[in-house]
Amino acid sequence: SAVISQKPSRDICQRGTSLTIQCQVDSQVTMMFWYRQQPGQSLTLIATANQGSEATYESGFVIDKFPISRPNLTFSTLTVSNMSPEDSSIYLCSVGFGTGGEKLFFGSGTQLSVL
Amino acid sequence: QKEVEQDPGPLSVPEGAIVSLNCTYSNSAFQYFMWYRQYSRKGPELLMYTYSSGNKEDGRFTAQVDKSSKYISLFIRDSQPSDSATYLCAISRGNEKLTFGTGTRLTIIP
Repeated sequence: SAVISQKPSRDICQRGTSLTIQCQVDSQVTMMFWYRQQPGQSLTLIATANQGSEATYESGFVIDKFPISRPNLTFSTLTVSNMSPEDSSIYLCSVGFGTGGEKLFFGSGTQLSVL
Repeated sequence: QKEVEQDPGPLSVPEGAIVSLNCTYSNSAFQYFMWYRQYSRKGPELLMYTYSSGNKEDGRFTAQVDKSSKYISLFIRDSQPSDSATYLCAISRGNEKLTFGTGTRLTIIP
């Protein structure tokens, strides 16, 4: 298992601005994942972040909108850029364990509201 | 057709009742089946993990996988108010991203 600290826990932002979300893990992990959780919808994977390489983005998500950094094996950031009200959501970081990384552990999430 | 379907509820039951939560999936290639519990303003936490078919029990919780029907279930016995949360099913083929259900919101009434 892992303890994942995520901040900020919530924020209210203006349209057109950017917010950087930080994720700190208490152990070294190869892959970290960033998810979005919108009301009434399932968790959606934004990207997978490996240390020392570019993040891998899922269909519908692009680096210019959601740049990710992964400077070491315990830390990652996700930036939500040029925000619009449609970006209002909960953003979660997670790490995976198990044979195929299927045992995910999540941070507490960042509740983002864009006005 | 969605890869996994989950009744969003909400579901309200009296304390002490048996709760049954269910998901169906479309692709028989899925091998890993998980249940996550999410309290309000918290991230999901892994509750049950099952590989392939069968039952798995952990205290008051039982996870059941029926691969022939592509149906997974989570049973909660002697439900408690502290079980009030959103429960999400998740499935995976292994070595790839998880596919989550939309979650079922459960309330246990004292």
